[in-house]
Amino acid sequence: QSVLTQAPSASGTPGQRVTISCSGSSSNIGSNTVNWYQQLPGTAPKLLIYRNNQRPSGVPDRFSGSKSGTSASLAISGLQSEDEADYYCAAWDDSLNGVVFGGGTKLTVL
Amino acid sequence: EVQLVESGGGLVQPGGSLRLSCAASGFTFSSYWMSWVRQAPGKGLEWVANIKQDGSEKYYVDSVKGRFTISRDNAKNSLYLQMNSLRAEDTAVYYCAREVYWGRNDYWGQGTLVTVSS
Repeated sequence: QSVLTQAPSASGTPGQRVTISCSGSSSNIGSNTVNWYQQLPGTAPKLLIYRNNQRPSGVPDRFSGSKSGTSASLAISGLQSEDEADYYCAAWDDSLNGVVFGGGTKLTVL
Repeated sequence: EVQLVESGGGLVQPGGSLRLSCAASGFTFSSYWMSWVRQAPGKGLEWVANIKQDGSEKYYVDSVKGRFTISRDNAKNSLYLQMNSLRAEDTAVYYCAREVYWGRNDYWGQGTLVTVSS
């Protein structure tokens, strides 16, 4: 049972826009910034979004993040087959004094 | 180029110990927090521990407190995870990661597999 809640799966067709949500509480998302990771099959995670809505260099602007209250979202527009991966949200938790991850959302491109 | 290379994984019996290492290069190691994140087979990511630049602050997930110890040697650009009293549920790929800010890991190693089984 993860502290941050994500839907286990999501899907879309090429070109479509999909959104992945991450729900937390006042001790994590509500008081700290959210980061998103993309994990392609068989590889290490890759930082996709940091500080709620910032993209590291090299990440396409098709990827965007937002946060409102105790929830956060990752949006992927112009969906491509190579976007098929697992996506995780993460944030510091003030009560647990540690980093908490969401359970991950497996994105399938139909 | 930033590189993080983990080593030390393997098969260990329940109750046993293992020490993971992470060799860092391509950046000023002593300027960054570092962390360990693990992933059980077919499961999601789980943060394990992190350590401040000078080693003066360390944080652990509850499930490993008292059993795992994170440490670093800035002179050797290396991060370590001493794992004692290992349990089957510790079986996972363990990733070393550079932590720019809490929860924000911008570089990851390739991971090392730890299997706890009799």
